Amino acid sequence: AQKVTQAQTEISVVEKEDVTLDCVYETRDTTYYLFWYKQPPSGELVFLIRRNSFDEQNEISGRYSWNFQKSTSSFNFTITASQVVDSAVYFCALSEAGNFNKFYFGSGTKLNVKP
Amino acid sequence: KAGVTQTPRYLIKTRGQQVTLSCSPISGHRSVSWYQQTPGQGLQFLFEYFSETQRNKGNFPGRFSGRQFSNSRSEMNVSTLELGDSALYLCASSHTGLAGVYNEQFFGPGTRLTVL
Repeated sequence: AQKVTQAQTEISVVEKEDVTLDCVYETRDTTYYLFWYKQPPSGELVFLIRRNSFDEQNEISGRYSWNFQKSTSSFNFTITASQVVDSAVYFCALSEAGNFNKFYFGSGTKLNVKP
Repeated sequence: KAGVTQTPRYLIKTRGQQVTLSCSPISGHRSVSWYQQTPGQGLQFLFEYFSETQRNKGNFPGRFSGRQFSNSRSEMNVSTLELGDSALYLCASSHTGLAGVYNEQFFGPGTRLTVL
């Protein structure tokens, strides 16, 4: 079974629009970590955020914000006032207790921000 | 600190050959993990090495193997290459000291392998 689902394959927005990337996860562990990574065309995965299962506080970092809801097993990512430089593939990932370096990645959402 | 480095960045091989990819972790990091990224299967975990021991393994055939050296550098080897092995292979390193304490993983730029 898919542990991390990113239902949105590709999203296109115009610069300055807000956009939300969805992530739904599945795990039986009570201790786990959730992540968002950005992959630009160069290929390297760039870390954006980590959240552990005991911390449901939402987080804002500049134009980026994350909404973690255990009740719906979701960890959504919002970019406010998108910019062309935000164009990339974004991955949500899960790691579970005892295997924290074994990531289960979602299939990714390709974000196209047009000027 | 220098980031995770991977060599070579690009590689072209033919079916049946074998290949070795190299990963140098961030200085001080003892854990190295490998991932395969393909358009069809996405990002999949291959294995993790910590202090020269394989600590975790994904669901890949035995043709995929790895090792880690005393300086934490890691290599992965794929024998008898198949067309489906064409992929971007990513390496990640982390400090991972105390058990149960999470340390962030940092990814390298990857090695793009093409099998003809």
